[in-house]
Amino acid sequence: DGGITQSPKYLFRKEGQNVTLSCEQNLNHDAMYWYRQDPGQGLRLIYYSQIVNDFQKGDIAEGYSVSREKKESFPLTVTSAQKNPTAFYLCASGRRTPLPEAFFGQGTRLTVV
Amino acid sequence: AQSVTQPDIHITVSEGASLELRCNYSYGATPYLFWYVQSPGQGLQLLLKYFSGDTLVQGIKGFEAEFKRSQSSFNLRKPSVHWSDAAEYFCAVGANQAGTALIFGKGTTLSVSS
Repeated sequence: DGGITQSPKYLFRKEGQNVTLSCEQNLNHDAMYWYRQDPGQGLRLIYYSQIVNDFQKGDIAEGYSVSREKKESFPLTVTSAQKNPTAFYLCASGRRTPLPEAFFGQGTRLTVV
Repeated sequence: AQSVTQPDIHITVSEGASLELRCNYSYGATPYLFWYVQSPGQGLQLLLKYFSGDTLVQGIKGFEAEFKRSQSSFNLRKPSVHWSDAAEYFCAVGANQAGTALIFGKGTTLSVSS
């Protein structure tokens, strides 16, 4: 089945530790995105990539890092510099043409204690 | 600035009643408009999309939306709501341009009463 797989679904980490969230897609999409969701805040863009080995910061990139070494994979690292990392993280992929629509994974809920 | 506004944070509708969720956007380029739905703890599912042509678009699950350029709106409608429609709904805007990503509104939570 084609789709976007995020793992794990739930993640717990101690404060001060870096943690990496996985996102894999087999839809052959060029573009991939990471969004953060907090209650009442909607989805806020962290990073996005429209081609392998290239990515751009979104609105809230501070404290996060990404890599795009393969078309299928776009892992997100939440570093210890992120002041409030507990949130629901959503990965998406999509084509830019003919429509810039995004297809979402099931999300990872990160809790930092 | 590019933005999407969903004026209603929470709406309650009786089962079988009609529904309209509002969405207003501010976008410099030709907008591509989307509605997504999210069940608790899940990812987002695309309901419908608009990029050109007929301003009334049909989506899945019996939803439709109307694009009104003069009002910068893209409101979502359903003639008869089912209990299973209770979820959070997000409006999004994007462009067919390199270096852009979808911009989302803050969402509207729909509750359905019996």
